[in-house]
Amino acid sequence: GENVEQHPSTLSVQEGDSAVIKCTYSDSASNYFPWYKQELGKRPQLIIDIRSNVGEKKDQRIAVTLNKTAKHFSLHITETQPEDSAVYFCAASGTGGSYIPTFGRGTSLIVHP
Amino acid sequence: SQTIHQWPATLVQPVGSPLSLECTVEGTSNPNLYWYRQAAGRGLQLLFYSVGIGQISSEVPQNLSASRPQDRQFILSSKKLLLSDSGFYLCAWSVQGSDTQYFGPGTRLTVL
Repeated sequence: GENVEQHPSTLSVQEGDSAVIKCTYSDSASNYFPWYKQELGKRPQLIIDIRSNVGEKKDQRIAVTLNKTAKHFSLHITETQPEDSAVYFCAASGTGGSYIPTFGRGTSLIVHP
Repeated sequence: SQTIHQWPATLVQPVGSPLSLECTVEGTSNPNLYWYRQAAGRGLQLLFYSVGIGQISSEVPQNLSASRPQDRQFILSSKKLLLSDSGFYLCAWSVQGSDTQYFGPGTRLTVL
């Protein structure tokens, strides 16, 4: 089955810096890659996603890039703010026609004011 | 618009007691439904998913079970809780044929 590795497990940045979280996946048949943000004690919320026919997608300060050849995708957050502090999860799905995502283990992002 | 509800929000139960968590979705028909568990500080573990009424697939063998008695209702149950069942239980839904999942507010379960 699919395997998703996410790095780093913890990322600490200063307010205003950029943050990058990377995920690799194992199955080249995966074609959908969402990112979720989970604040402490809350539900994961979808913040951005990308499909395999697109190399990059942006939404304000957030962007996701996909390299299908290398089987990795990354979340980029620019001009970080304290409210960006949360756990971020990547996922991959689409293998074998399944819509069940495989999640990474999460990255705890801490933005220091 | 679609809304997903879970209750209760918080639950404290003794070891060996039964469990019933409920999830309902509004504003859509025939959704795919999912139950996840998240241990403290850990990732998301898929427990069950359902593509229709009475259709349940189990991802992890354990003392939990799931049922889908109605199109937009998903129930997670246990006959006897273990300490290791403590965690944050999240229900999620997606449109049939889509892999974009949306999570409910969750139930925080503590087994003592």
